[in-house]
Amino acid sequence: NAGVTQTPKFQVLKTGQSMTLQCAQDMNHEYMSWYRQDPGMGLRLIHYSVGAGITDQGEVPNGYNVSRSTTEDFPLRLLSAAPSQTSVYFCATRDTGSYNSPLHFGNGTRLTVT
Amino acid sequence: AQKVTQAQTEISVVEKEDVTLDCVYETRDTTYYLFWYKQPPSGELVFLIRRNSFDEQNEISGRYSWNFQKSTSSFNFTITASQVVDSAVYFCALSEARSGNTPLVFGKGTRLSVIA
Repeated sequence: NAGVTQTPKFQVLKTGQSMTLQCAQDMNHEYMSWYRQDPGMGLRLIHYSVGAGITDQGEVPNGYNVSRSTTEDFPLRLLSAAPSQTSVYFCATRDTGSYNSPLHFGNGTRLTVT
Repeated sequence: AQKVTQAQTEISVVEKEDVTLDCVYETRDTTYYLFWYKQPPSGELVFLIRRNSFDEQNEISGRYSWNFQKSTSSFNFTITASQVVDSAVYFCALSEARSGNTPLVFGKGTRLSVIA
């Protein structure tokens, strides 16, 4: 099993460009989420989804869109990239069958916006 | 609202020293879950431990131990006889127990450097 797969690993964008960060999982987890990691800021939740067709905002949702059409995939879209979106992005899933289940993380996407 | 505070931004120790990483949390729920994650220099996030709010037993796993104290809202992590491979950023996280769908809230992390 691959677990949580994020693509691409690295990306450089110019201000104003759009792109989609991909996240795919093969663990059949209903819960999926996106975090961004910035120096000194820890991991901050962008968006999350508790199942296909259901999404919700986290702490820092502005500038990002998500959709969840399948259990396996949870893409994160940047509609018009800004330098403030330079960050490392992590996708994470969770088994919602148990209240104390941990998050399983992908290996991250390092995004630079110039 | 839930909040996790890791007051120690960076800690540096010499190999074989013991080190404790502090984690203080805030929540209005009486049932909640606490987690520790490790992020080594390679960047991946590795789950270490989880603790339920109704289980205040401390836990030991090899050189790692965790001290959960509800009275002080703390869930501290101690590494005994630290090694260079322990160098990493460590995150504490909290999830309230409304359902398995409740997002985890993370602290800002503590960067531990173990010097040989």
